[in-house]
Order: sequence, then C-alpha cells, then structure tokens
Amino acid sequence: GAGVSQSPRYKVAKRGQDVALRCDPISGHVSLFWYQQALGQGPEFLTYFQNEAQLDKSGLPSDRFFAERPEGSVSTLKIQRTQQEDSAVYLCASSLVGKVSNQPQHFGDGTRLSIL
Amino acid sequence: AQTVTQSQPEMSVQEAETVTLSCTYDTSESDYYLFWYKQPPSRQMILVIRQEAYKQQNATENRFSVNFQKAAKSFSLKISDSQLGDAAMYFCAYRSRHSGSARQLTFGSGTQLTVLP
Repeated sequence: GAGVSQSPRYKVAKRGQDVALRCDPISGHVSLFWYQQALGQGPEFLTYFQNEAQLDKSGLPSDRFFAERPEGSVSTLKIQRTQQEDSAVYLCASSLVGKVSNQPQHFGDGTRLSIL
Repeated sequence: AQTVTQSQPEMSVQEAETVTLSCTYDTSESDYYLFWYKQPPSRQMILVIRQEAYKQQNATENRFSVNFQKAAKSFSLKISDSQLGDAAMYFCAYRSRHSGSARQLTFGSGTQLTVLP
C-alpha cells in the first residue's frame, strides 16, 4: 500500500482479555517500530524490528506485551490480560533502511485501545 | 538517556501571523537528528521538518523553519503565515545518529496549536 496501515482503528476490550493489533508497513521497509501514546502525551517507544529480528524490546512495559514480525513484513502487537492502564493509542512506524539512521519514519494512523 | 521537553502545552496564533513553538532536549551525544512532527485529530504523525545536528544551517521547509541552538540544546519551530490547516498537536523528537545505537524516536509531550480565523 501507499502508507503504513494499522488495524483495527479502534478496539474496545474488557479488562483481562487478550488483544492483537496489526501493522502493515510500507512495502520494502526494513525497520518497524511500535510506540504507545497515552492521552495528551507524546508517543513512547515500545519495540523495534529489523526485518524479522526484534532488535530492541526495552520499551515493552511488562511481559504481558509481545510483538512479532515473523516474515519481516506485517507485525502484530499482542497484549495479554489487558489492564486499564493499557488504554492508549498504539502507533506503528516503518522506515526504509535498517543500518542507516537518517531515513524518516512513516507512521500509521494508530489503533486506539480502550480497556473497560 | 535522552529527554525532550516542550514547555508550552498550548499555543494559539491568528491566521496569517507567525508563531514559534519551543523545544529543549538533553543528550550526551554529539551527533543526532531532531524532528518536528504534526499530529492532527486523524492521529497520523506527519513529518514537518528535520535537522541534522552536524549542520549549522537551520532547516527550512516552505513556511516552516527551525532555530537550532546546539550549545543551548534548543530546537524551536517557527510557522510563518499560519493557516487553519496548521492546527494540530506538534511534537519535537530526537534520534541518535550513531551506528549501532537505538533507532527509535524520543518525543516531547507536545504543544497543541490553535489557529484563530
């Protein structure tokens, strides 16, 4: 596609349920990032992939958060046993080349997750 | 660790006037990138302008320009001839340029810009 695509756009879940958020990056983009954006705040880094390899997961807030990118394209962020503090917008971004840091990150529209 | 601070939660500007958004950052690195992103209600982050720290010349993109003061660790955004479509949340962001370092962006808390007709 022309841009980074995220689905669903909105997700409502009950506390304790598991959720899965999908990111389809721009075709050919090597790097993929997940960010969490709380209401009224700036995005905070969660995890980074270069192709299928998860090179940095230092931002994941707990072991309930898990991300994968098995074929080096589409990525899924999974949150198990959701808590109310998980309510946020989850943004995905991709960039063209992994080893060179000057490539801009292209963002999707995000998934707004609400935990009841 | 790097931090980015935006001390103006909200700003307003009259249409066609000029406004400056402030950003300061803290880092021990000498080589990095600084960005301004715009986030409208649609939530998509849109890159407005980028500055490489090794360049002394301030970046400009049409009506958008920056005032980069490396010693002061300051990176402000000036929007000239403001338009209604400029209304959005603006985020300042930092990224290391060193190879092997983290690739992620570190964002400030944002400034909500309102453009008054």
